[in-house]
Formats: sequence, structure tokens, C-alpha cells
Amino acid sequence: SAVISQKPSRDICQRGTSLTIQCQVDSQVTMMFWYRQQPGQSLTLIATANQGSEATYESGFVIDKFPISRPNLTFSTLTVSNMSPEDSSIYLCSVARDVDSGANVLTFGAGSRLTVL
Amino acid sequence: AQSVTQLGSHVSVSEGALVLLRCNYSSSVPPYLFWYVQYPNQGLQLLLKYTTGATLVKGINGFEAEFKKSETSFHLTKPSAHMSDAAEYFCAVSGAGGYQKVTFGTGTKLQVIP
Repeated sequence: SAVISQKPSRDICQRGTSLTIQCQVDSQVTMMFWYRQQPGQSLTLIATANQGSEATYESGFVIDKFPISRPNLTFSTLTVSNMSPEDSSIYLCSVARDVDSGANVLTFGAGSRLTVL
Repeated sequence: AQSVTQLGSHVSVSEGALVLLRCNYSSSVPPYLFWYVQYPNQGLQLLLKYTTGATLVKGINGFEAEFKKSETSFHLTKPSAHMSDAAEYFCAVSGAGGYQKVTFGTGTKLQVIP
């Protein structure tokens, strides 16, 4: 299965600043996803990032707040803009495998833990 | 629409005891069901999945789960808990065929007591 590297692994940020999280995959993948994991809550899909097209955002998430880039088939970035303490969370990059068989299995990076003061 | 309910945000078992983590799902289409495990400071890893066929699914590390359509359940079990099983476990559901959005439960933290 794909190996996903995310950085930073953790960061402490000031209110009002922005942070970009990088996700590198060791193989070419069509579909990449960004999730948010908040304490005591389920993983929430932020957006789907396909190479060569605009990211598709889920309800409650907007491009101005979470701009995403997908310049090639192995790399993506998620920016958390104008951060507030409510953005403190773990952000996870993931890719889908076995899509052709319809199995929808996801592989995840280790996550980026953001704390906003 | 799909949803997943995991009963119990924290479960404690003694080492060697049965592990039972409960998951109920709601889906308007035939579901694919998953259990993922997350060890501290790591990403989620797939434990097992049900797509079609045999309703009892075996996964890694001795875990298994049974798809019960009549009960809309997909509970995760392991006969004998090991200290290394301490982690957070997430149940998830998706539709079938091609890529379908995966919906996760809120997770259950398993504590194993020596």
C-alpha cells in the first residue's frame, strides 16, 4: 500500500496566521483526501483533491479557509488560513486504494497536529 | 446518506479478556464496512473490511467482525486482548462501486489492563 508522509507533524500557531501542511505519497494516486480529526469527534472529510482539477469541498468547508493544491499525482498541500483556536485539530492526508474493485480502502498519513493559541 | 454509531467512547478490558467494540450503521444503499485502528501518533490503519460475500470477516492481529444486516451492525471482536491492542478504533461505512465517500464513527479508545 502507499506510504504517506506529512509535515509538519505538529505545530503551535498564533491566531490569525496561516499554516500549510504538505502531503507526499510514494506512488502516483488519483484521489487524495484531507480529513480533520477533532477530539471526541469523528474524522471529517474536508475536501477531495484530484490532480488537474479544483478540489471538491464538503459542506461546511470553503476554499478561502482551506485552500488546497494538487500539482501532481504524488503531492498535495492543505493551508489552514487565518487560524483561530477552533482550528486546533489533527489534519490527516489520505489516499484511496483498491478503487477499481470498489473497496474504498483509505491509507492515511500520520497527521499534523495543530494547536492555535 | 450514511452514518455510523460507535457505542462507548472508552472501553477497558483486562489482558486476555474478550474485546468487543460495537458499531451500528445506517445506509440507504448496500454498505461497505470498515474498521480502522489508530495507534498513538500514527495515522489510521485498516484492520478489516466487509464488501460482499462471507459476513464474518477476519482482519489483522486476530480481530474479526461480523456483518449483520438485520441488526445493521458490524461489531469488532478479538478473543483475547493483548497490551499492544491499546489504541483507538474507528468504524466506517461507504457505498459500493467505484469511489464512494467514507463516513467514520467517533471512535472507541480501547484500554487494556494488565
